[in-house]
Amino acid sequence: DAGVTQSPTHLIKTRGQQVTLRCSPKSGHDTVSWYQQALGQGPQFIFQYYEEEERQRGNFPDRFSGHQFPNYSSELNVNALLLGDSALYLCASSGGAVNNSPLHFGNGTRLTVT
Amino acid sequence: AQSVAQPEDQVNVAEGNPLTVKCTYSVSGNPYLFWYVQYPNRGLQFLLKYITGDNLVKGSYGFEAEFNKSQTSFHLKKPSALVSDSALYFCAVRASGSSASKIIFGSGTRLSIRP
Repeated sequence: DAGVTQSPTHLIKTRGQQVTLRCSPKSGHDTVSWYQQALGQGPQFIFQYYEEEERQRGNFPDRFSGHQFPNYSSELNVNALLLGDSALYLCASSGGAVNNSPLHFGNGTRLTVT
Repeated sequence: AQSVAQPEDQVNVAEGNPLTVKCTYSVSGNPYLFWYVQYPNRGLQFLLKYITGDNLVKGSYGFEAEFNKSQTSFHLKKPSALVSDSALYFCAVRASGSSASKIIFGSGTRLSIRP
């Protein structure tokens, strides 16, 4: 039973470019959340997708957008990259109908903006 | 608004000794509380959760956590530390009663177990 998978594992981009990160949730999960983890910090909530809609959003600018597909996989898009966007981006999935279920995390995508 | 505080950036313990990693939270209503562990260059792994019921919750790898409503705390504990427990630990909280509620994480505590 595959867990949460993220691609790519590492990415190097230049300021001003755009990036797309991908996530496949754990089998049986229908909710995907995205987090940004800067070096030495805790994960910061970006947004959550359920039934192909953004259900909740954290304190991130509109440059951060996402999408969820009918198979529950998800993408995170970041436009006009800034140096400060360099971080580990974590995708987490859960069973959306039960809000006490824990998140299952992928290993993340390490984004470096130069 | 939800928030989580982990007051210690680092906890150092000798192998075989008991360990405690502290966490306090703030949330409207009843909380759902979680502990996660992160190893280098990996995602977070779920250790345990408190939803309701017994205040002492047992989880993976011999860890347990004690929920204290009056002190709004959820400290992680283990009776006898192992060197392999060395990692980064995160406490997290979600408000109950809303299916759309997000999980908020603390800043993390680095646990170092010396042989």
